[in-house]
Amino acid sequence: GAVVSQHPSRVICKSGTSVKIECRSLDFQATTMFWYRQFPKQSLMLMATSNEGSKATYEQGVEKDKFLINHASLTLSTLTVTSAHPEDSSFYICSARALAGAVEQYFGPGTRLTVT
Amino acid sequence: GENVEQHPSTLSVQEGDSAVIKCTYSDSASNYFPWYKQELGKGPQLIIDIRSNVGEKKDQRIAVTLNKTAKHFSLHITETQPEDSAVYFCAAKIVGGGADGLTFGKGTHLIIQP
Repeated sequence: GAVVSQHPSRVICKSGTSVKIECRSLDFQATTMFWYRQFPKQSLMLMATSNEGSKATYEQGVEKDKFLINHASLTLSTLTVTSAHPEDSSFYICSARALAGAVEQYFGPGTRLTVT
Repeated sequence: GENVEQHPSTLSVQEGDSAVIKCTYSDSASNYFPWYKQELGKGPQLIIDIRSNVGEKKDQRIAVTLNKTAKHFSLHITETQPEDSAVYFCAAKIVGGGADGLTFGKGTHLIIQP
């Protein structure tokens, strides 16, 4: 149980375009989903927290207009990187937390974004 | 905010030996400490976690210890196997606090030598 999927697993886009990444909890409902960013050989940095049906909470230094997050249902959150630049190239990972005050976070397999 | 330090950054052990990874945290209010294993090109996988009301937790070859006074916790892997090779991350969180995400350490690349 507690499976989280992400789509796509890899995406290459041109500078200036936008790309959408989906995060789904497959076998549980997630009140809260998190988006992390990981640069090569580095740790995961929390970008934002999203709760179903409400606006995402962004970490300091993360541009909310650039990284649009939509948590439309209890099983789906999307991250849209708008007007992508090469410096946005990174590994984006989502995680989900189940209902009822659960503590554990379950991570998706990640999406490798390359902006050319 | 919370700050998590993790050591060592790289650990190489012989197959069958034990491996220990250590983390310290700064916020004494943190009360949940998970460990994740990340294989190349994949997302982190939760392998074990501990809450501040216990000092030790074990699951087969994996154990975690917590010293609240010193604000450090450790991952112990016994009888290491080649498939244990991966990057391991510790994390800390305040359950019930304002911040909701996890604060991660920088990771330890564990290499199991055959």
